[in-house]
Amino acid sequence: RKEVEQDPGPFNVPEGATVAFNCTYSNSASQSFFWYRQDCRKEPKLLMSVYSSGNEDGRFTAQLNRASQYISLLIRDSKLSDSATYLCAGWASGGSYIPTFGRGTSLIVHP
Amino acid sequence: NAGVTQTPKFQVLKTGQSMTLQCAQDMNHNSMYWYRQDPGMGLRLIYYSASEGTTDKGEVPNGYNVSRLNKREFSLRLESAAPSQTSVYFCASSEANPYEQYFGPGTRLTVT
Repeated sequence: RKEVEQDPGPFNVPEGATVAFNCTYSNSASQSFFWYRQDCRKEPKLLMSVYSSGNEDGRFTAQLNRASQYISLLIRDSKLSDSATYLCAGWASGGSYIPTFGRGTSLIVHP
Repeated sequence: NAGVTQTPKFQVLKTGQSMTLQCAQDMNHNSMYWYRQDPGMGLRLIYYSASEGTTDKGEVPNGYNVSRLNKREFSLRLESAAPSQTSVYFCASSEANPYEQYFGPGTRLTVT
């Protein structure tokens, strides 16, 4: 079982819809979380950091719930260009901090 | 700025051959990482270097070695390639540890 789990989807939504992904983590010592976007056959690119107080960037909102050990990503007013795989990543302390990625959630936005 | 660069972009090896994947970053980052990505498995950490002069094993280090040549460069070596090492390899760097990571474009490796 991976330390960071995501629903692989795909999430298939129409343009303009609001969609939310959750990512659960099992290591309560995990600190610092991030969301990445990965297009087909491309490298992951940082989408946003996740803070305990929440983080909003335009149509994207990320939240961290430490009590329930999950992070979320909300995308409002979905665009066709949002179609991609979304990866969550957490860092756990093991001497140095070690990053662990979820397997990713696929989003398909259709007209 | 080029960010994180990787060479080669594509490689085909025969079982038992060796090769080195190169990675360089020009962002003056302290930490560097090597991942492999396989269908359905997500990104798995092979080795990382939290700072120049240090390297540590990640989740799947068997069959690989690394060298942090200097602050900019972090190479990954396959001494005797196996078909199970067919994958896409990504190098990443971050300013510190933990921190946002920036990825290179990847190397697609096929071992026959």
